[in-house]
Order: sequence, then C-alpha cells, then structure tokens
Amino acid sequence: DTAVSQTPKYLVTQMGNDKSIKCEQNLGHDTMYWYKQDSKKFLKIMFSYNNKELIINETVPNRFSPKSPDKAHLNLHINSLELGDSAVYFCASSPRTSGSNEQFFGPGTRLTVL
Amino acid sequence: EDQVTQSPEALRLQEGESSSLNCSYTVSGLRGLFWYRQDPGKGPEFLFTLYSAGEEKEKERLKATLTKKESFLHITAPKPEDSATYLCAVGSGGSYIPTFGRGTSLIVHP
Repeated sequence: DTAVSQTPKYLVTQMGNDKSIKCEQNLGHDTMYWYKQDSKKFLKIMFSYNNKELIINETVPNRFSPKSPDKAHLNLHINSLELGDSAVYFCASSPRTSGSNEQFFGPGTRLTVL
Repeated sequence: EDQVTQSPEALRLQEGESSSLNCSYTVSGLRGLFWYRQDPGKGPEFLFTLYSAGEEKEKERLKATLTKKESFLHITAPKPEDSATYLCAVGSGGSYIPTFGRGTSLIVHP
C-alpha cells in the first residue's frame, strides 16, 4: 500500500551509460515531480508533470527527460551519465497543480556514477 | 524569486530539552508553508501545512507556528526518535513548485 514508490533503490553505473528510474503513485494525485538531493541535502526541483504535460522544467541538462506513460507514473531517463549526476533522486506527487499543496515523496534512488 | 532560510543548520539537544527551529521566507503571495521530516536514507515526510499568519498546528511533541515573515517548529520535551532533518518549504502564487530550505539537522541525545 506504498503511496509513492521508486525503483531501483540503488543504481551504480559507469560514465556515459543511459539509465532510467521508475516512479509510481497510487494516491490519485494530478501532479508528479522529480527532485535531486545533493550531498548537502538540498532538494532541487527538476521536473513537474501534470496530465501528461510538462508544466515547469527547471534548468536541468537535456540529458534528463521525464516520461509519463499515464497519470500514476513519471519515470526519469538520463542519457550519457556524468560524475556530477551522482546524487539521490526523489519522486513526489501532490493532489493538484498549486502552490498550496503538500507533496508526498518516494523513498529515493541513490545514483552513483563511476 | 522565493527564498527560504532555515536556522540553525544543526541542533543538538538532550532528551527533554525543548527548543525551536526557524524558517524565514520571502515569497510573492504565500499559498502555503510546509514542514517535512526526513530520516536518513528516506524521502521527506509531510508534517504540517500553514496558510496564514497566526495559524498554529500540533502533532505530538511538535508545534508549528506562522508569522508574515517566518515559521517556527517548536519541539517540546524531545525524544531520541525525534532526531531527523526538518525541512521547510513555501508555495507561492508565483510558482506551482514549493521552494525548499536547506533543512535543520536535529540530534536528540538520550
């Protein structure tokens, strides 16, 4: 009965590889997000997705791309991985697209690029 | 641009020693101020939403308050299990995405 789930939990890969992280929410929420948390624990928004429409895209490299097959899923694809991509990535969801909604986070995916 | 500053960066308390965490913010039209708790190796867990100055919310040993410029998370008689990083975020009329502060790492010693 997990609300927001992510797979894999850990991902270790070589520079230059392409990888994906999957996210699913069973809360019936309209909006999903991807965050990157650096070594200093700062949460930086990467993407926000609402009803298959990318509504906000922060200045992240175009090697990162969100894919939403349906309302309950928002996957993160990363091409040509770099050392600086190593971080913890969190998926989140909220009921509606609004600045007044709390977010529900997944458990995170720790990505290590060697 | 919305800004959120949390202080202190780290806080060590003895069990039972009450204290407060601060979250100062600058936003264009506050839509909501959010407090989250994050345990090591886990995602942030939602605690409270405050919408207007003067509002207060409580949950067990935690009490969140809000003014026009800042929010406080008061911890009364903390226990070791309250040890975590506490994150503050604000949602504004200018953005659909909440802006997060850098968090306060709280350690409660038995």
